Parts: sequence; structure tokens; C-alpha cells
Amino acid sequence: DAGVTQSPTHLIKTRGQQVTLRCSPKSGHDTVSWYQQALGQGPQFIFQYYEEEERQRGNFPDRFSGHQFPNYSSELNVNALLLGDSALYLCASSFRGAVFDTQYFGPGTRLTVL
Amino acid sequence: AQSVTQLDSHVSVSEGTPVLLRCNYSSSYSPSLFWYVQHPNKGLQLLLKYTSAATLVKGINGFEAEFKKSETSFHLTKPSAHMSDAAEYFCVVSGRKPRSGTYKYIFGTGTRLKVLA
Repeated sequence: DAGVTQSPTHLIKTRGQQVTLRCSPKSGHDTVSWYQQALGQGPQFIFQYYEEEERQRGNFPDRFSGHQFPNYSSELNVNALLLGDSALYLCASSFRGAVFDTQYFGPGTRLTVL
Repeated sequence: AQSVTQLDSHVSVSEGTPVLLRCNYSSSYSPSLFWYVQHPNKGLQLLLKYTSAATLVKGINGFEAEFKKSETSFHLTKPSAHMSDAAEYFCVVSGRKPRSGTYKYIFGTGTRLKVLA
């Protein structure tokens, strides 16, 4: 049973560019959440998707957008990249029908903006 | 509103001695509490979770945590530290909003555990 997978592992972009990160949830999970973890910090919630819609959003600008596909996989898009967007981006999956809110995390995508 | 405070940013212990990582929380809803571990350049691994079934929660790798509602605490302990325990540890609070049923994780700032030989 594959866990949460993310691609790519590492990415280097320049300021102003756009980036797309991908996530496949754990088998049986229907909800995907995205987090940004800056160096030396705890993860910060970006947004959460289920039923192909954004259901919750953290304090991130509109430059951050996402999508969820019918197979529950998800993409995170960031436009007009800033140096401050350099971080580890973590995807977490869960099952909305579960009684308790346990999320399982992928290995992350390390984004470097030059 | 929900928040979580990890009281120590760095903890150093000698191998074979007990580990205590402290976490206090605040939640407007009935909380779920979690501890995750992150090894360098890795994702987050779930250590254990409190979901109201029992106040003393046992996790993987010999870790356990006790939920104390009166103290709003959820401290992580291990009787004997191993070199492989050196990592960053995150305390997380979550709680479902009553109407929407939505929830999100609120992470603490992390505690870096160093294990000395």
C-alpha cells in the first residue's frame, strides 16, 4: 500500500516564475491538505481539498492555488514566485469519513526560488 | 480558535536517559492532539495521537504522551533515549468546527531533540 507521494522531490525556480507541485494521497483517502514549511519553522496550513473543491484556506495570498482531480490527487500552483516562497511543501492526506482527523504526510517537495 | 505552544525549542539528553518534550494547547473545540517526528530532509511521521479514548497514549518507538485537560498539556516522553531519536518533533492540535465539520492542523514551532553519546 503506497503512502502519500509527491513530485518532484526538488525544484529550482527564479523569481516571477510559476510552479506546479503534485501529490497522490494514500490509498483510501479522499482529502488532501497542503502545508508550507520554511526553514526552521513548523508547517503552515495553505489549503485543503475534498470533493474537488477548496474547503479551507490558511493565510496565503491568491498566488497560491490548487486543484483536486477525480482520483483524489492534487496539485499546488504558485504564481509570480518570490524569494520568500522557498520552502518545503508538504502534502497530507486523510479520509473525511474517519472519526478522527489523522493526516499522513508525504516526503515533501523542496522549492528553491533564486 | 486553536493554538499550540512547544515550550522548548531545543532539548539535549544523553543516550539512555529519559526524554521530555513539552506541549501546551488551546482549542475552542474538542481537540485531537498529535505528535509528529521529522528527521533531516524527510517528511513528517506520525508518532502518536490523542482522540479522547484514553488519556495516556502509546506511540511508536517507545514514545508516549499524556493528555491533561486541566493543564491543557500533551507532553511527549520516552524512558530511554536512543541516538536514532535525534530529530525535530512537532506537537499538533486539530479540532472539527461544529457546523462545517472542517478541520485543519495547527503546528507548534517544533522542538529539536539532540541525543548525546
